[in-house]
Amino acid sequence: DQQVKQNSPSLSVQEGRISILNCDYTNSMFDYFLWYKKYPAEGPTFLISISSIKDKNEDGRFTVFLNKSAKHLSLHIVPSQPGDSAVYFCAAILMNRDDKIIFGKGTRLHILP
Amino acid sequence: EAGVAQSPRYKIIEKRQSVAFWCNPISGHATLYWYQQILGQGPKLLIQFQNNGVVDDSQLPKDRFSAERLKGVDSTLKIQPAKLEDSAVYLCASSSPPDRALAKNIQYFGAGTRLSVL
Repeated sequence: DQQVKQNSPSLSVQEGRISILNCDYTNSMFDYFLWYKKYPAEGPTFLISISSIKDKNEDGRFTVFLNKSAKHLSLHIVPSQPGDSAVYFCAAILMNRDDKIIFGKGTRLHILP
Repeated sequence: EAGVAQSPRYKIIEKRQSVAFWCNPISGHATLYWYQQILGQGPKLLIQFQNNGVVDDSQLPKDRFSAERLKGVDSTLKIQPAKLEDSAVYLCASSSPPDRALAKNIQYFGAGTRLSVL
């Protein structure tokens, strides 16, 4: 039973344009959500998070939007840069479950020159 | 600040052999996690330690996997005997106590150990 779903295995975006990565979840009790970025042969690195009581969080070129009624969140990257090419994992946390993180399968983002 | 250290980076073994992975978390981080990431999947939690105690090992295949964190700092994960389906990247992560007010708990990952079982 996959509680966090990233339905697009890959996405290609032109450099300078907006990248939108999507994530759906099934458990309405998740307390907050995170995005991690992973380069080949490296561990995931934290990118941005959002509490379940918010609907938007922005950090530089990265903005995460949360739509609780649709159980959907998205990560917007604008403008996209070559260094953004990586795998992006959506993750969710239940804080009353020892802060266990549940990851999606990831979306591979390719930034095209 | 030094990150999470893991060794070895790569390991190739034959099925039924044993293997061990080592992790040194970020200094001061009380919580340590071991994840298994199979190709094309997201990381899956195997075991979570709080200091030297186990918080969650519900997804650890205990017939062949074991982990310890004896002094509440570094940790080892062992597989004995290995199976072909154990081929994966094993990631270690650590975190400091969560910021409950901000509903925030960031885990910091090591580079992982890529295991190939032949």
